[in-house]
Amino acid sequence: SAVISQKPSRDICQRGTSLTIQCQVDSQVTMMFWYRQQPGQSLTLIATANQGSEATYESGFVIDKFPISRPNLTFSTLTVSNMSPEDSSIYLCSVEYGRMNTEAFFGQGTRLTVV
Amino acid sequence: DAKTTQPNSMESNEEEPVHLPCNHSTISGTDYIHWYRQLPSQGPEYVIHGLTSNVNNRMASLAIAEDRKSSTLILHRATLRDAAVYYCILRDVGGSNYKLTFGKGTLLTVNP
Repeated sequence: SAVISQKPSRDICQRGTSLTIQCQVDSQVTMMFWYRQQPGQSLTLIATANQGSEATYESGFVIDKFPISRPNLTFSTLTVSNMSPEDSSIYLCSVEYGRMNTEAFFGQGTRLTVV
Repeated sequence: DAKTTQPNSMESNEEEPVHLPCNHSTISGTDYIHWYRQLPSQGPEYVIHGLTSNVNNRMASLAIAEDRKSSTLILHRATLRDAAVYYCILRDVGGSNYKLTFGKGTLLTVNP
């Protein structure tokens, strides 16, 4: 199993500002992902965080808005840039030990409110 | 992408079995059937997965139809802690459909 620590757990931010969310895992993992869960909705994959290279973004998400870093095999950050109230969501980090592995582990999420 | 269809909500009584259905008529031969659940104010957690045969673990059982076009997650004795949104997801970890794509899931309410 993996223990995932996400920081901050929640924040209230002013529109136009940026917030960086951290995801720390207690062991080295192959794959790290970032998801968004808008109020009352299901999870949507934002991007795959690739260690040592640029993240792979899903349709509808761009690097300028959601820059991602992954400096090593246990840590990643997601920045929500130039925030608007529509960015108010829960952002979740997920990890897996390998593509052929069967189980994904999720952090508790970061609840972001933009005012 | 292969899609799944689940009821929006289901209700159960505590200590009774719960059968959560999932239809996946366009499933491919290499798609595994995964179930995750999301408890209130938490991230999703893995429940169980299978390919063709029925599967059991400490949390639940997974019954897969012979044609694999549907499956059922079985909670043998529901507790209040099992109240959550349950997601049925098809996943081909060896192919292009390896990403976890969450649908709307089934909101399970457990009555005391």
